[in-house]
Amino acid sequence: DAKTTQPNSMESNEEEPVHLPCNHSTISGTDYIHWYRQLPSQGPEYVIHGLTSNVNNRMASLAIAEDRKSSTLILHRATLRDAAVYYCIRHSTNAGKSTFGDGTTLTVKP
Amino acid sequence: DAGVIQSPRHEVTEMGQEVTLRCKPISGHDYLFWYRQTMMRGLELLIYFNNNVPIDDSGMPEDRFSAKMPNASFSTLKIQPSEPRDSAVYFCASSLRGVGVSTDTQYFGPGTRLTVL
Repeated sequence: DAKTTQPNSMESNEEEPVHLPCNHSTISGTDYIHWYRQLPSQGPEYVIHGLTSNVNNRMASLAIAEDRKSSTLILHRATLRDAAVYYCIRHSTNAGKSTFGDGTTLTVKP
Repeated sequence: DAGVIQSPRHEVTEMGQEVTLRCKPISGHDYLFWYRQTMMRGLELLIYFNNNVPIDDSGMPEDRFSAKMPNASFSTLKIQPSEPRDSAVYFCASSLRGVGVSTDTQYFGPGTRLTVL
């Protein structure tokens, strides 16, 4: 099963860090983990991806567990504009498609 | 680049009518994906193309749905006849090399909100 498991919803206060977890216990050694987010009334947008090492970009950080069975998307300082549905997805080598699960709805409180 | 362009942004039609949704991918992207999003089923992949050729249409719900990609810069998703249960937001996405290349990224359009009365 190529799907991942995420909590349905999370809340955060503005300006505080947010840790969004994802379980992918059946991941294979060559699968990448990608994160997308979907702001209200928009299409999903890419956030970050990684394989084994932790990754940072201007939007977020991605921490991948040593056994690769889970990962965490980290927003260092949540803003109201970060309120969105966050999807954790496996990209398998040579698989033509990826599967979006239900994602985590992040609410940011002022 | 303007990103993935979809039209129309909103479509309201009556049951039984034909509906055509349009998509222009990002120039140079070899892969194009059509998704459908509903509250009940979330984001579902309907079909995807590689170099204008349909590769996997296993997500197309039934024969009423068809998709074409006549050239690298245009694709259509057609529903004929439409039914109320087809009401959803339809997204088009494109990517440079395909998600089988593990580091590739999909770029989504703004979506078409379809309402079938």
